[in-house]
Amino acid sequence: DTGVSQDPRHKITKRGQNVTFRCDPISEHNRLYWYRQTLGQGPEFLTYFQNEAQLEKSRLLSDRFSAERPKGSFSTLEIQRTEQGDSAMYLCASGPQETQYFGPGTRLLVL
Amino acid sequence: AQSVTQLGSHVSVSEGALVLLRCNYSSSVPPYLFWYVQYPNQGLQLLLKYTSAATLVKGINGFEAEFKKSETSFHLTKPSAHMSDAAEYFCAVTRSEKLTFGTGTRLTIIP
Repeated sequence: DTGVSQDPRHKITKRGQNVTFRCDPISEHNRLYWYRQTLGQGPEFLTYFQNEAQLEKSRLLSDRFSAERPKGSFSTLEIQRTEQGDSAMYLCASGPQETQYFGPGTRLLVL
Repeated sequence: AQSVTQLGSHVSVSEGALVLLRCNYSSSVPPYLFWYVQYPNQGLQLLLKYTSAATLVKGINGFEAEFKKSETSFHLTKPSAHMSDAAEYFCAVTRSEKLTFGTGTRLTIIP
């Protein structure tokens, strides 16, 4: 069991640039989740997939955000035209059902 | 809507003393409840979970939590604190696919 992995671990970008994050779930898990965590807060749900289907999206996920999970394996989260308010830790989790196991996160800083 | 409230954003205990971190939930139906721990600049690690089986749940690293429906509580305890327990602790609830987290409690261990 290699756990959930995320890449990159850190990303610094300039406002207006696009960024993409990758998440590789635990291989036997069919559910994959994305959360966002800002300083001093608990994680907030963004979206989740069951296999390749994106089944729920939070209102936090504006039009600038898009997530995919082709073939039901790894997932990508893209943020277009980044804003300073997008600076946060982006966490990915996977699970079989009701229990979620988190990756180490990608910390994004938008200058 | 489900939610959790963590009482005390900061808790300090002496090494060897009892650890008690408080969590109260709000849910219209019996929920699934979780405690996660987060070390600096890392993702969340699952400590324990309640999924309507035994009300006293034992987790990793000597932690346990008791589900009390009458008090809508799910407090986390550990009989004897260790320096390595210093971290941020999050309580979370779910009845659907997404976790709803509390704002966290930062635990400091005094040598």
